[in-house]
Amino acid sequence: GAVVSQHPSRVICKSGTSVKIECRSLDFQATTMFWYRQFPKQSLMLMATSNEGSKATYEQGVEKDKFLINHASLTLSTLTVTSAHPEDSSFYICSALAGGPEQFFGPGTRLTVL
Amino acid sequence: RKEVEQDPGPFNVPEGATVAFNCTYSNSASQSFFWYRQDCRKEPKLLMSVYSSGNEDGRFTAQLNRASQYISLLIRDSKLSDSATYLCVVNSRGSYIPTFGRGTSLIVHP
Repeated sequence: GAVVSQHPSRVICKSGTSVKIECRSLDFQATTMFWYRQFPKQSLMLMATSNEGSKATYEQGVEKDKFLINHASLTLSTLTVTSAHPEDSSFYICSALAGGPEQFFGPGTRLTVL
Repeated sequence: RKEVEQDPGPFNVPEGATVAFNCTYSNSASQSFFWYRQDCRKEPKLLMSVYSSGNEDGRFTAQLNRASQYISLLIRDSKLSDSATYLCVVNSRGSYIPTFGRGTSLIVHP
């Protein structure tokens, strides 16, 4: 149980385009999901907390207009990187809570912006 | 001082060795503690939760020391497959908001 999927697993796009990443809880309902970014050889950085039916809570320094988060259902949260630039290239990972404090992570999305 | 601190390592140990990692946290009100394992270019996977009474799962033992505000992970009889980055996670700013340490790299060699 507690399986989280992400789609796509890898995306390459041109600078200026928008990219949507989906995070799904497959066998449980997740009222709370988290979005992280991880640059090579660095730790995970929490970007935002996504709560079903309400606005996401963004961490300091994360632009909410650039990283749009929508948590429209109990099993799906989406992160849209708008007008992506090469510096946005990173590993984006979501996680979900399955009723307890432990997080279950999706497999991640590797974004490369050319 | 960072909220959660770990020695990045790497810890380079031979197969069969016992190795221990510590992780310190700054918020004395922290409630939940975890160790995750992350392989290169993969997502973190929950290794074990850390309880006040300690937690043991096979070769892995986790301990919590609230007085000194650290948690530890002990790995006995290291295997090559234990090579990974071990992440300390502390829920510090509420019941579920997580803070990650930067991870400790473990390399187990033949």
